[in-house]
Amino acid sequence: DTAVSQTPKYLVTQMGNDKSIKCEQNLGHDTMYWYKQDSKKFLKIMFSYNNKELIINETVPNRFSPKSPDKAHLNLHINSLELGDSAVYFCASSRGGPGELFFGEGSRLTVL
Amino acid sequence: GENVEQHPSTLSVQEGDSAVIKCTYSDSASNYFPWYKQELGKRPQLIIDIRSNVGEKKDQRIAVTLNKTAKHFSLHITETQPEDSAVYFCAAETGANNLFFGTGTRLTVIP
Repeated sequence: DTAVSQTPKYLVTQMGNDKSIKCEQNLGHDTMYWYKQDSKKFLKIMFSYNNKELIINETVPNRFSPKSPDKAHLNLHINSLELGDSAVYFCASSRGGPGELFFGEGSRLTVL
Repeated sequence: GENVEQHPSTLSVQEGDSAVIKCTYSDSASNYFPWYKQELGKRPQLIIDIRSNVGEKKDQRIAVTLNKTAKHFSLHITETQPEDSAVYFCAAETGANNLFFGTGTRLTVIP
């Protein structure tokens, strides 16, 4: 069983479009995250959700919006895509508090 | 917020030699320091972590050291093998599920 799964794995789209990436975890964790990894491999936190409440938002443009229908899901919506949004987006989950992050396989977004 | 610096950015070693990666952090409130390994095209995975009440931790060929006074921590890999080749990330967490990653070190183990 996949612990943290995200779809799609690859996404190619045009500038200006709106897209979503879905994430689900079956670990029963309380906290879920979205990280962005750019071409230089830098991993930067975008959002985290704990019990349906956003607790982190690190200078992310408001074109990006996380949506959590329940504790096991945290989807990422991106409006008006820009070239600079091209990256690998990783979903992750944890029990909450300092501890191991379990990452999904990543979703490679390419904006043309 | 927390600022984590990591060095070197690339590291090449001969198989069997040791590799050391160093990180510094800025926020004295940070209390959890994990290390993640990311193989090419794969997800980051935790390989070892250390909490602020411990100075050193070892797991087979991997060890981490933490100096809270100096705000730096290091990863040591002994008897390196080709399968150790990957990108390694240090991270620091201040609490509130706020984990900041270093910029990564690409380790290449030459057979």
